Amino acid sequence: DTEVTQTPKHLVMGMTNKKSLKCEQHMGHRAMYWYKQKAKKPPELMFVYSYEKLSINESVPSRFSPECPNSSLLNLHLHALQPEDSALYLCASSPPGGGLNNEQFFGPGTRLTVL
Amino acid sequence: AQSVSQHNHHVILSEAASLELGCNYSYGGTVNLFWYVQYPGQHLQLLLKYFSGDPLVKGIKGFEAEFIKSKFSFNLRKPSVQWSDTAEYFCAVNAGNNRLAFGKGNQVVVIP
Repeated sequence: DTEVTQTPKHLVMGMTNKKSLKCEQHMGHRAMYWYKQKAKKPPELMFVYSYEKLSINESVPSRFSPECPNSSLLNLHLHALQPEDSALYLCASSPPGGGLNNEQFFGPGTRLTVL
Repeated sequence: AQSVSQHNHHVILSEAASLELGCNYSYGGTVNLFWYVQYPGQHLQLLLKYFSGDPLVKGIKGFEAEFIKSKFSFNLRKPSVQWSDTAEYFCAVNAGNNRLAFGKGNQVVVIP
């Protein structure tokens, strides 16, 4: 299995809703990432988990809450989002180490619309 | 921190024309370099990557890129584009700290 899967593919939510995005990989990778991508812009790093521990938080608002329950799963919990949070949310994973010769494998993304 | 520059953000060309997209990075140490493609409404796909060895790298769909260390460049080329190459192209650099620095992207439109 050489892919990263993400569910749901599309999500529409109101500003008072609570929802979660899910990401899964079975490649034995021990680093997992959340990115946010606006249309025609590059992905922006949000969070990095390394060996199930949060190692990077790029000053993301607390309405986004990541969770890594085990080495294969990564969640992003959403609460009280704003319309400007509408974007494509990408998950990625990479082999252990975080050093060079280390490729990130991207999932297909969840397209989020906040009304 | 490493940064990546991509020029000519909007490129319009006709089918069968040649394509070259420039990518320059600012980092003095050893780097890994990537080109990703994103077709309209789709997810990010890896076109090619450079880790070490032959600086001329061949990727999928007829793309290639050349790493020139002295110029801090990793330009992407395709000799003859097709309409299906219409997409956004991103150059990225991994400098070994779990961070992937992306350029701003090139929007390429191929006219049939």
